[in-house]
Amino acid sequence: AQKITQTQPGMFVQEKEAVTLDCTYDTSDQSYGLFWYKQPSSGEMIFLIYQGSYDEQNATEGRYSLNFQKARKSANLVISASQLGDSAMYFCAMRSNTGNQFYFGTGTSLTVIP
Amino acid sequence: EPEVTQTPSHQVTQMGQEVILRCVPISNHLYFYWYRQILGQKVEFLVSFYNNEISEKSEIFDDQFSVERPDGSNFTLKIRSTKLEDSAMYFCASSPREVHQETQYFGPGTRLLVL
Repeated sequence: AQKITQTQPGMFVQEKEAVTLDCTYDTSDQSYGLFWYKQPSSGEMIFLIYQGSYDEQNATEGRYSLNFQKARKSANLVISASQLGDSAMYFCAMRSNTGNQFYFGTGTSLTVIP
Repeated sequence: EPEVTQTPSHQVTQMGQEVILRCVPISNHLYFYWYRQILGQKVEFLVSFYNNEISEKSEIFDDQFSVERPDGSNFTLKIRSTKLEDSAMYFCASSPREVHQETQYFGPGTRLLVL
């Protein structure tokens, strides 16, 4: 069975600072993908970044980067130069080749302080 | 940029009533999904659909739920006899491929409230 754990229910960061949101996962699959989504207060799920299990380099998308440590089974999201609009819930998710569904963590609520 | 759309954005219903939640996936996508998110909790998988049939479902997706693709564009989730605990945000998602590298594109959600 697949499991995603996000241990930080809430985080605060000063505007323009960097912040790391933690995510660990558990799977016996060899091939899998790790995803981060942002959910603002309006409720929609916005795809941010993807990391494949066989990717040797950490994924980056603008101000988002993924600190992937396969041996530790962690896929932390790093947001650089935080902006007020980054305040939202952030969900880590995993998808494996053996199933159709995404498995989501419980989310981290990020608040950016001016 | 193509996107998944869902209607209605909000739905209020009485316990025991039937509701139909509608989704229009991205047009060239082949795989469709429903998820739900109870307020303050994580997103949970309900069902996946491909080639006009269910390919996977969770234990949440019991006999009161059904899905259908009635035409070439819509994808619906029906809840036959709603219960209070069905109150949640329901997300539709679609994907062009069924591989782990592919993200699922989520709609904006339908917020369902059962009274």
